[in-house]
Amino acid sequence: DVKVTQSSRYLVKRTGEKVFLECVQDMDHENMFWYRQDPGLGLRLIYFSYDVKMKEKGDIPEGYSVSREKKERFSLILESASTNQTSMYLCASSFQASGMSNTQYFGPGTRLTVL
Amino acid sequence: GENVEQHPSTLSVQEGDSAVIKCTYSDSASNYFPWYKQELGKRPQLIIDIRSNVGEKKDQRIAVTLNKTAKHFSLHITETQPEDSAVYFCAASGYSSASKIIFGSGTRLSIRP
Repeated sequence: DVKVTQSSRYLVKRTGEKVFLECVQDMDHENMFWYRQDPGLGLRLIYFSYDVKMKEKGDIPEGYSVSREKKERFSLILESASTNQTSMYLCASSFQASGMSNTQYFGPGTRLTVL
Repeated sequence: GENVEQHPSTLSVQEGDSAVIKCTYSDSASNYFPWYKQELGKRPQLIIDIRSNVGEKKDQRIAVTLNKTAKHFSLHITETQPEDSAVYFCAASGYSSASKIIFGSGTRLSIRP
């Protein structure tokens, strides 16, 4: 079974703090993704990575950065947290096949509250 | 850019009846259409997917249909049961080479006993 884990289920931070969310997958997947989930807005892609040290912006990258130093680990960084970044953050990973999309496996999510 | 619209946002059906959720996509190059189910407090999980070389796929009580000409696809759940209550997301691949997919806004399905 694919296992995707996230470092925290719940996190409370203050405005202006630097926040790290970590995601680890154990299936040797090339692709990793960070989404935020807000009611009525579905899953919006923040950043994704298709290889170590590679990253691409998703639909809402502003205010976020990412790091992928190892294949199994993908970190989401909020350089200076703001209240509008209060949300559920979901990490996902998928196997990369040439020219084809594949099943994404999600982590349990981190509910971040910024006060 | 790529956009996926999903309707309805909420759906309530009597147990045993069928439920249909519809999605449209904007990028005619999309070739992969997965559906994810997210139960309350849990992570989204793939329940069925379809690629653009087929028009319909079925797995027990769930089926997905794809109309490439009209750029829409639908999820059909027959003989609904209480455990079908969840939020369902459709998605479409925007850029197949990077495996990126675009999600719809979700449908909250409630099954009435």
